[in-house]
Amino acid sequence: DVKVTQSSRYLVKRTGEKVFLECVQDMDHENMFWYRQDPGLGLRLIYFSYDVKMKEKGDIPEGYSVSREKKERFSLILESASTNQTSMYLCASSARGRGGSPLHFGNGTRLTVT
Amino acid sequence: GESVGLHLPTLSVQEGDNSIINCAYSNSASDYFIWYKQESGKGPQFIIDIRSNMDKRQGQRVTVLLNKTVKHLSLQIAATQPGDSAVYFCAENIKGYSTLTFGKGTMLLVSP
Repeated sequence: DVKVTQSSRYLVKRTGEKVFLECVQDMDHENMFWYRQDPGLGLRLIYFSYDVKMKEKGDIPEGYSVSREKKERFSLILESASTNQTSMYLCASSARGRGGSPLHFGNGTRLTVT
Repeated sequence: GESVGLHLPTLSVQEGDNSIINCAYSNSASDYFIWYKQESGKGPQFIIDIRSNMDKRQGQRVTVLLNKTVKHLSLQIAATQPGDSAVYFCAENIKGYSTLTFGKGTMLLVSP
């Protein structure tokens, strides 16, 4: 079974802090994704990556950056956390190329920014 | 914290009933579709997928139906169990695009 592991289940950070969310997958997947999930808004794509050191903006990249130095690890960075970034963050990975294959999700990190 | 299930349409069924969850998609160029299940406190879990060259695909207790004429996707769950209670949402891949587009979801509540 594919395993996508997010390093923290819950995080509480202060406004202005730099926040790192870490994600590791164990199935040698090429593709990795970061989403945020909010009630009433569903899943929204922040950033994704098809290869090491490669990144592409999703629908809501503002206020975020990412890092993919190794194939199995994809980090989401909040440069200066704000209260409107309080959310559930979900990491996912998938095999093969562009589109057409299922995403496998981690269990999420619930971030609260105070 | 707030549940992902807030603000979602809800389907309530009795244990043992068959459940049908519907999803409409808007892009006729979509060629791949997935159903996910999300239980409280967990990430979405893959259930079943279907490509646009098929109308129907069956898994264990689940069937996905695709009607390309009206751009409609449905998930049928046979003999629904309390453990099936969760939020279910569909996702589509538009041909030529890099990522999946997710629906908002439907909450399924199963009463014993």
